[in-house]
Parts: sequence; structure tokens; C-alpha cells
Amino acid sequence: GESVGLHLPTLSVQEGDNSIINCAYSNSASDYFIWYKQESGKGPQFIIDIRSNMDKRQGQRVTVLLNKTVKHLSLQIAATQPGDSAVYFCAVHTGGFKTIFGAGTRLFVKA
Amino acid sequence: NAGVTQTPKFRVLKTGQSMTLLCAQDMNHEYMYWYRQDPGMGLRLIHYSVGEGTTAKGEVPDGYNVSRLKKQNFLLGLESAAPSQTSVYFCASSYVTSGSDEQYFGPGTRLTVT
Repeated sequence: GESVGLHLPTLSVQEGDNSIINCAYSNSASDYFIWYKQESGKGPQFIIDIRSNMDKRQGQRVTVLLNKTVKHLSLQIAATQPGDSAVYFCAVHTGGFKTIFGAGTRLFVKA
Repeated sequence: NAGVTQTPKFRVLKTGQSMTLLCAQDMNHEYMYWYRQDPGMGLRLIHYSVGEGTTAKGEVPDGYNVSRLKKQNFLLGLESAAPSQTSVYFCASSYVTSGSDEQYFGPGTRLTVT
């Protein structure tokens, strides 16, 4: 079956450094990809998205890279801040209402 | 705008009891969803709705029922709770567009079934 996986369940970075969170997916027909941030005790919150006809998209301090050849996407956070500490999910949309969520990477930011 | 709200925030049930979780959104979204989140796993879709009066099964629908009598509300029912339904439940909604499918999530309901 289809799967969405993250390479690391946890990631610890120093404040001010850049963070990279990875996600791999299995369905080559996937057409839309989203990164969500989930803080403790809250629901997921949209960060950034990218469609399959792009390979890079930038937001404020965040960049998503998509490599369709190897079915991999990453979220880069520049100058990581303590407020970035959260669980980050990738979600992969394959058409219709089928969106598969990864298990999440917990980001710890050390002061 | 309150966005997506869920009630209750916490609930403890005994096996076999029933309950209804309420989701409300004030963004006039057509699409609404119910997910469950378990430790170490991604969100899994239980049921969803593409508009008032319509519902459909998601990935893990067994043991749950839903209703969408009003556009702004999406109810999730557990008829006979089981310990396997202990989880955090999230409701979400989204626009009907040909582009993004960004979903707006509620704060969650933590349910424990003993």
C-alpha cells in the first residue's frame, strides 16, 4: 500500500542553525504535498505546500524541496528559533480525498 | 473568526458507552474531515464530507458514524466505544478549489476508553 515516511522521528538543532526535515513517499502519482506544524496540545497548522509541477517553493524562513525522481521532499527552516519547536508532518495528496500523513518529526531547538 | 472548534476537549468513556464529538467551522468551507491521531502514527482519515447532507468513509471508518446536517457542523459518533478507540480526534475543513487542499484543523479531542 501507499506510505509516507519521515527519516528521523526526532531532530535537535541549535538556535540560529538551519533545520532540514525529510519525508519520503511511495506513490509516483502523488500531486500535492503539504507540510504541517503541530505544537503540543494543538491541531496541525499549515506551513507551506508544493505541487508536483514545481521542485522548490519558498515561504518566510521555510523552503520546501521536491524530488519526484526519488519521491522525496524536505522542509528547510532557516535560522531556527525556539518557537519552531514542534512536530512537523508531511502530507501527500494522491487525488480525490486521499491524503496520507507521515508520522511526524519532533524538532527540538536548543538555546 | 474562531476557525475550527471541537467539543469536548477531553472525555473518558467506559467500554460500550456512546458519545458524539462536535466540530464546527465558521469559514464557509464545503469539505470537512474527521481524523484520529495515535502515538507514532500519522493522522488517519475516519470519515469526510464534501458538503451539507453528504458523508463518505475514509481509511478507518469502522466503529464510527458521522452526520453533516448543517454546512458548518460535522458530528462524529461512537455507538459502542472500545479501548482501541482511545485516541486524539481532529476535525478539519477545507475550501473547494482546484488548487490547494490546505486543511484547517481544530484543537483536538482527547478520548480515553477504559
